[in-house]
Amino acid sequence: DQQVKQNSPSLSVQEGRISILNCDYTNSMFDYFLWYKKYPAEGPTFLISISSIKDKNEDGRFTVFLNKSAKHLSLHIVPSQPGDSAVYFCAASASGNQFYFGTGTSLTVIP
Amino acid sequence: DTEVTQTPKHLVMGMTNKKSLKCEQHMGHRAMYWYKQKAKKPPELMFVYSYEKLSINESVPSRFSPECPNSSLLNLHLHALQPEDSALYLCASSQFMTDTQYFGPGTRLTVL
Repeated sequence: DQQVKQNSPSLSVQEGRISILNCDYTNSMFDYFLWYKKYPAEGPTFLISISSIKDKNEDGRFTVFLNKSAKHLSLHIVPSQPGDSAVYFCAASASGNQFYFGTGTSLTVIP
Repeated sequence: DTEVTQTPKHLVMGMTNKKSLKCEQHMGHRAMYWYKQKAKKPPELMFVYSYEKLSINESVPSRFSPECPNSSLLNLHLHALQPEDSALYLCASSQFMTDTQYFGPGTRLTVL
């Protein structure tokens, strides 16, 4: 049972434009969310997090938005750069419990 | 410093071999994790250690045996693996179990 879903397996964006990666979850108890970036044959690298007391968190070019009523979060990257090309995973947890990962979205930023 | 190191980077083993994967962190994190990742799939949690005690075992077959010798080290002992166990094995650590996890680069395991 996939509690965290990323329905777009891939996304292509022109360099300089905005990339929007989406993530949906089913468990209303989730209260902490993470985004990871992963290059092939490497471990995931932590990008940005958000807790359920916020609806937005920003770090440089990366912004995560959380819509609790829709059980939806999104990662915005602006401006997108070719080095951003990677697989992006969202992950969610309920306090004190394990993280559940989405299936990933492969982002390609076209120069 | 948010570095988690893993050795070896690559491992090829036969089904009768015994080998170990190693993971190390010096961030003072009290929770450490083993994940298995197949191509184009999300990481699957295998084990969680919290304060050097096994906290979660996600019904992993006994041919995988974790060990946490101290708060900085995490091992995964492998014995009698199957070809379908070939995957990227990721170690992660976090300050506590509820916190952001930092991943190592992984060990690419191939079972022949």
